[in-house]
Amino acid sequence: DTEVTQTPKHLVMGMTNKKSLKCEQHMGHRAMYWYKQKAKKPPELMFVYSYEKLSINESVPSRFSPECPNSSLLNLHLHALQPEDSALYLCASSHELGVFYGYTFGSGTRLTVV
Amino acid sequence: QQQVKQSPQSLIVQKGGISIINCAYENTAFDYFPWYQQFPGKGPALLIAIRPDVSEKKEGRFTISFNKSAKQFSLHIMDSQPGDSATYFCAASKANTGFQKLVFGTGTRLLVSP
Repeated sequence: DTEVTQTPKHLVMGMTNKKSLKCEQHMGHRAMYWYKQKAKKPPELMFVYSYEKLSINESVPSRFSPECPNSSLLNLHLHALQPEDSALYLCASSHELGVFYGYTFGSGTRLTVV
Repeated sequence: QQQVKQSPQSLIVQKGGISIINCAYENTAFDYFPWYQQFPGKGPALLIAIRPDVSEKKEGRFTISFNKSAKQFSLHIMDSQPGDSATYFCAASKANTGFQKLVFGTGTRLLVSP
């Protein structure tokens, strides 16, 4: 299995809702990432988990809360989002031996905040 | 020092022509340079990658040329096809062990006309 699977593919939520994005990989990668991508822009790093521990938080607002329950699973919990948070949210994973051995993105969750 | 500059922003090529996208970096600590292809609504997919110990890498119709002294690298797509129409991102990273942040270029929207 060489895929990163993200669910749901599309999500529409109100500003008072709580929702979660899910990411799963079975490549044995021990680093997992959340990226945010706005239209016509490159992906921007949000969080990095290494060996299930949060290693990087790129000053992301607290309304985004990541969680790594195990080495295969990564969640992003969403609460009280703003319309400007609408974007494509991408999960990625990479091999612990380094990026040259694999750095794979999922297809993303298209989030719309209304 | 963390920037990767990419040009052109958009590119129109006739079917069968050569598409060329250029990137330049500043951080000499980078030693892994991938190119990602992204279709609308999908996550970036690794196309081809190079390390600075070689000046060129070819995979099918896709070639990376790397100039270490100029800190530049480029993607050449030979015999461009309409199915190659997508957004292309160059990126740079360190290739050592552990998690790594990919620094992306700003992207090039390629349109291959039939």
